Amino acid sequence: SAVISQKPSRDICQRGTSLTIQCQVDSQVTMMFWYRQQPGQSLTLIATANQGSEATYESGFVIDKFPISRPNLTFSTLTVSNMSPEDSSIYLCSVEAERGGSGNTIYFGEGSWLTVV
Amino acid sequence: QKEVEQDPGPLSVPEGAIVSLNCTYSNSAFQYFMWYRQYSRKGPELLMYTYSSGNKEDGRFTAQVDKSSKYISLFIRDSQPSDSATYLCAMSAWNYGQNFVFGPGTRLSVLP
Repeated sequence: SAVISQKPSRDICQRGTSLTIQCQVDSQVTMMFWYRQQPGQSLTLIATANQGSEATYESGFVIDKFPISRPNLTFSTLTVSNMSPEDSSIYLCSVEAERGGSGNTIYFGEGSWLTVV
Repeated sequence: QKEVEQDPGPLSVPEGAIVSLNCTYSNSAFQYFMWYRQYSRKGPELLMYTYSSGNKEDGRFTAQVDKSSKYISLFIRDSQPSDSATYLCAMSAWNYGQNFVFGPGTRLSVLP
């Protein structure tokens, strides 16, 4: 398993500003993912971040809006740029890790609740 | 048709009831199946993980997979108020995180 720390846990942001969310993992992992969960909705994958390479974005998400850094195997950041009220959401950092030798699965951080006003 | 569909809920049950949460899917290639529990304002936590068809039990929780019907279930016995949360099913054809597909979630309330 993996223990994932995210900050900030919540924030209220002004329209047009940008906010960077940090994600720290307690062990080295290859795959890190950023998800968005809009109110009452399920999880939508924004991008996959591998250390040493550019993030891979899913359809509908672009680097200019959601730049991602992955400087090492335990840390990543997601920036939500030029925010609008539609960006109000929970943003979740997650990692792929082993389940005690029985294959891999995804573990999530506590999430960062952003409200854009 | 969405790739993964889940009973919409919300679902309210009395304490001690048996709860059944269900997901259906369309992609016959899915072979890894998971259930996550998400408390309000928290990130999802992995509850159950199964590979291919069959049942898996962990305490009060039983995960059931029927690949022939493309149907998975999570049963909660002797439900407790602490089980009140949103339950998300997730599945994948390959054991790689970027391929996981999540259901929309079912919100469960267990009333004391």
